[in-house]
Amino acid sequence: GAGVSQSPRYKVAKRGQDVALRCDPISGHVSLFWYQQALGQGPEFLTYFQNEAQLDKSGLPSDRFFAERPEGSVSTLKIQRTQQEDSAVYLCASSHFGDTGELFFGEGSRLTVL
Amino acid sequence: AQSVAQPEDQVNVAEGNPLTVKCTYSVSGNPYLFWYVQYPNRGLQFLLKYITGDNLVKGSYGFEAEFNKSQTSFHLKKPSALVSDSALYFCAVRDFNAGKSTFGDGTTLTVKP
Repeated sequence: GAGVSQSPRYKVAKRGQDVALRCDPISGHVSLFWYQQALGQGPEFLTYFQNEAQLDKSGLPSDRFFAERPEGSVSTLKIQRTQQEDSAVYLCASSHFGDTGELFFGEGSRLTVL
Repeated sequence: AQSVAQPEDQVNVAEGNPLTVKCTYSVSGNPYLFWYVQYPNRGLQFLLKYITGDNLVKGSYGFEAEFNKSQTSFHLKKPSALVSDSALYFCAVRDFNAGKSTFGDGTTLTVKP
C-alpha cells in the first residue's frame, strides 16, 4: 500500500497477557519509529530503527517492551505481561533516510488492558 | 535533551479570521521543526517543516509557520481559518544529532462558523 499500515487497529487484552503489534512501513523508508500516545497527550518516543538496526530504545518504559525489525521492513512491537498502564494508542511512523525527513504515521493500534 | 512546549490546550477562532497556534522548543543544536495535524481516530499527518533557509515556511492547506531563533519559537499560522481546520495540532522538534522527534502535548483548534 501507499501508506504506513498497522495491525490490529484495536486490541483488548487481559492483564498479564502478551500482545504483538505490527507495522508495515512505506516501501523504501529506511527509518522506522514507534511512539506511545496516551489520551490527551502527544506521542511519546519508544524506539527507532534504521533498516534492521535498533539505534535507540531509550523510550521503552520497561523490559516488558520489545521491538524488532529483522529484515529492515516490517516491525513488531511486543508487550509482555500487559498492565493497565500500557493502555494507549501505539503509533508507528516511517521516514526517508536522514534527519530532515518528516514522519509518515500509521493510524495506530489502540490497546486496552482490562 | 530536546523539548517542545505548546502553551495553549485550546484555541478558538471564528471562520475567516486569522489563527495562530503557538510552539516553543529547546534543543542543543540546530533544530529541525515540524507541525503535524491529527483528525479524530486518524494518524498524524505532516503539515510543514523548517530545516534551514527562509524563516517563513509554507505548507499544506494554506498553513504557514514562522521560525524565530532568538525566541526559540515556531508558531503555526493561517490568514483565514476554515471550519474544516478544526483538529488537534502537534509541534515537533528533531535535533540533527538525534533520530527521534519530540512532540508537544498538542493544541485543539476549533473554528466556529
